[in-house]
Amino acid sequence: GAGVSQTPSNKVTEKGKYVELRCDPISGHTALYWYRQSLGQGPEFLIYFQGTGAADDSGLPNDRFFAVRPEGSVSTLKIQRTERGDSAVYLCASSLTSGKDTQYFGPGTRLTVL
Amino acid sequence: DQQVKQNSPSLSVQEGRISILNCDYTNSMFDYFLWYKKYPAEGPTFLISISSIKDKNEDGRFTVFLNKSAKHLSLHIVPSQPGDSAVYFCAAIYNFNKFYFGSGTKLNVKP
Repeated sequence: GAGVSQTPSNKVTEKGKYVELRCDPISGHTALYWYRQSLGQGPEFLIYFQGTGAADDSGLPNDRFFAVRPEGSVSTLKIQRTERGDSAVYLCASSLTSGKDTQYFGPGTRLTVL
Repeated sequence: DQQVKQNSPSLSVQEGRISILNCDYTNSMFDYFLWYKKYPAEGPTFLISISSIKDKNEDGRFTVFLNKSAKHLSLHIVPSQPGDSAVYFCAAIYNFNKFYFGSGTKLNVKP
């Protein structure tokens, strides 16, 4: 079956612009996670959805970052007024329920802010 | 403050020998630990996990050991194969939802 997909695979934008990154989780998975991975680092937790609601958004670095999952499936990570320091690979993962269920990761979106 | 640390950025091993990847953590509240494997341009894939109530979990060539008193876990791969060459991340959870990842160890298995 289809795995987690993320679009676009690469996004280049200019400082100050707005970007949206999309995640399509595995069908039926209620838990969805966003991570950010900088060069040479492991994935850093951003936000976790259980269904449509953000159950834990404590990893979002500041109020320029926002994520939604309006119908409990597809999720969009939105970054306003992008800064060069936002450049990273943004990973999405989904799991059947939550917690200790295996997370399945997408290939990531590489964001470059010039 | 990094709560999960992988202090070896890289490891090179001969095919057929044992690979040992190490991970240290600081938060005693972590109650579940995982190892992920990542190939270039792909997302991490789950490899093996262990609950904090156990000290060992084995799955084929992969064994994870947990030493709670030392706040240390390790992944053993025996025998190592060239296809095992990848970046390995350890991760830890408490409170069910928030995963903390180490910075990864790049394993190179030489034929």
